[in-house]
Formats: sequence, structure tokens, C-alpha cells
Amino acid sequence: QKEVEQNSGPLSVPEGAIASLNCTYSDRGSQSFFWYRQYSGKSPELIMFIYSNGDKEDGRFTAQLNKASQYVSLLIRDSQPSDSATYLCAGSSGGAQKLVFGQGTRLTINP
Amino acid sequence: DTEVTQTPKHLVMGMTNKKSLKCEQHMGHRAMYWYKQKAKKPPELMFVYSYEKLSINESVPSRFSPECPNSSLLNLHLHALQPEDSALYLCASSRYGATNTEAFFGQGTRLTVV
Repeated sequence: QKEVEQNSGPLSVPEGAIASLNCTYSDRGSQSFFWYRQYSGKSPELIMFIYSNGDKEDGRFTAQLNKASQYVSLLIRDSQPSDSATYLCAGSSGGAQKLVFGQGTRLTINP
Repeated sequence: DTEVTQTPKHLVMGMTNKKSLKCEQHMGHRAMYWYKQKAKKPPELMFVYSYEKLSINESVPSRFSPECPNSSLLNLHLHALQPEDSALYLCASSRYGATNTEAFFGQGTRLTVV
């Protein structure tokens, strides 16, 4: 079983709608979770991080963490074509200095 | 400033060449990382340096040799690579270890081994 799992998509969302990206993790010791956006041919860009249960909002982005269910999500409101990218969910492996990445979800926003 | 700078951006090398990738950050971060990323795959951790000491080596072949000369610099020395080593090599840094601090990536070096 992979430590961090994402639906690889592709996920297609109309412009202006809410895009919902999901991630589950198996290591209960994981403390921190990160969402990275990666455009084709570019490096990952950190867009959100969350450490506590609940919601965290930053502009059009909301990260949600449910440690009991071992579930992390990213909501993108008012989706724009420029949001089209691969979104990588990453968790810290408990007790170690490493990020474990999910496979990434390819998101396409249709004008 | 969350900038991690990698050089070169692109590198083509033969299987008998020796080359080095360089990474620099001036954010005062004490953990630095090398990742390898193949097309349509997530980044794969290679090495972690914490306070200039190698703390994690993910069983990487010896043809890859990391070096951390000081707290701002990270090198990856390459020797006798194989064509399957062609990939995007990413450097990242974080304030401490990854468990509770954000990691920022450089722009990467696109490596092609011929």
C-alpha cells in the first residue's frame, strides 16, 4: 500500500466551478501535509500546507485535514484555466525528514 | 524570499563524463534535499542533508555523490551515468526537517544522458 494515495485523474472542471482534490495517507505518525502545484516541465510550487485538523483557507484555496479518517483535501474555488496543472499531495513521514508524495492528480479547467 | 537556485537548467552528458549539479539557498534553511523526477511521476527522494550532514540516503547508486560544502550550498556530483538516469533533478530546502516545515523547490536541472 502506498503511503500517500491520490486519484491520478485526469480531473476536468469547468471554469468558475470548485475543483476538489483528494488524498489519503496510511502513516498515522504523519504530522504535516502539503499541496504542490506543478505545471508541465516545471518544478513543484508549494501552494498550501496544513498541520491541524480542520480547514485552512488562503485566497481561492482551502486545505482540509481529517486525521481520524487520514484524509487531506484541496478545494480550489472559482477555478481558472491557469489552475490547470498536476497537484501533488505530500505528507511528512512520521519521525523522519522526508516528504512522501502521492502520484499527483492532473487537473484541467475548461474555459 | 523563497528562492532556491539550481544550475545548470539543462545538462547533456555522455556516459563517461563527470559533471556536477549545484543548488543554493539564502533563506537560512538547515535542511536541503535532492529529488529525482521522471515524466508523469512524483518526485522521488534521493538525499537529505540536515545541518550540513547527510541524514538520509535512499539507497541511491554510487554514481550519484552528494556534497554539502556549507549551509547554503548543495552539490550533486555525477559520474558514469546511464541513459535511464535522464530526469529532472530537483533541489529543495526547508527550515529544519520536513516533519513540520514547508519545503521549497528550485527550478530543477533537466539532465539528459546520451
